[in-house]
Amino acid sequence: SAVISQKPSRDICQRGTSLTIQCQVDSQVTMMFWYRQQPGQSLTLIATANQGSEATYESGFVIDKFPISRPNLTFSTLTVSNMSPEDSSIYLCSARVGGTDTQYFGPGTRLTVL
Amino acid sequence: SQKIEQNSEALNIQEGKTATLTCNYTNYSPAYLQWYRQDPGRGPVFLLLIRENEKEKRKERLKVTFDTTLKQSLFHITASQPADSATYLCALDPLENQGGKLIFGQGTELSVKP
Repeated sequence: SAVISQKPSRDICQRGTSLTIQCQVDSQVTMMFWYRQQPGQSLTLIATANQGSEATYESGFVIDKFPISRPNLTFSTLTVSNMSPEDSSIYLCSARVGGTDTQYFGPGTRLTVL
Repeated sequence: SQKIEQNSEALNIQEGKTATLTCNYTNYSPAYLQWYRQDPGRGPVFLLLIRENEKEKRKERLKVTFDTTLKQSLFHITASQPADSATYLCALDPLENQGGKLIFGQGTELSVKP
């Protein structure tokens, strides 16, 4: 299994600012993902964080708005740029352990944009 | 179009009874399906994974079935307890998806009354 931590756990931000969310996994994993969960909704995949290369974004999400880094096998960051109230969501980091198909999730970062 | 659907209405049951949650999908051919538990304000917690060639999987009081003909998975909690109250999410990884990206249902909220 994998234990995933995220920082910060929550934040309240002003419109137009940016927030970087950190994700740390306790073991080397093959794949890392970032999801968004808007209030009352299910999870939507933002992007796959690729180690050493640019992230792969899903339809409706772009790098300028959600830049992602993954400098090594256990760490990734997601930045929410130029925030608006519509970006208020829970942002979740997920990792897939090598040799299995199981995905584990971090506790989430609850973002409120005023 | 491709869809994954869970009971949209909350499920209320009495302690000690068996809870049965449904996950139906259309226009996918998933290699496997995963079930997660999510508590309010928290990240999803992995419960069970069942593969396309498996009919049933068990873990303690949990049981998952997978019928690829009906395109349906059932999730059972036997001898339910108030502590089982949470939202339960199903997620699938379509066969055609090489990247391990999960598609989530909207979740079913379970409430177990003492």
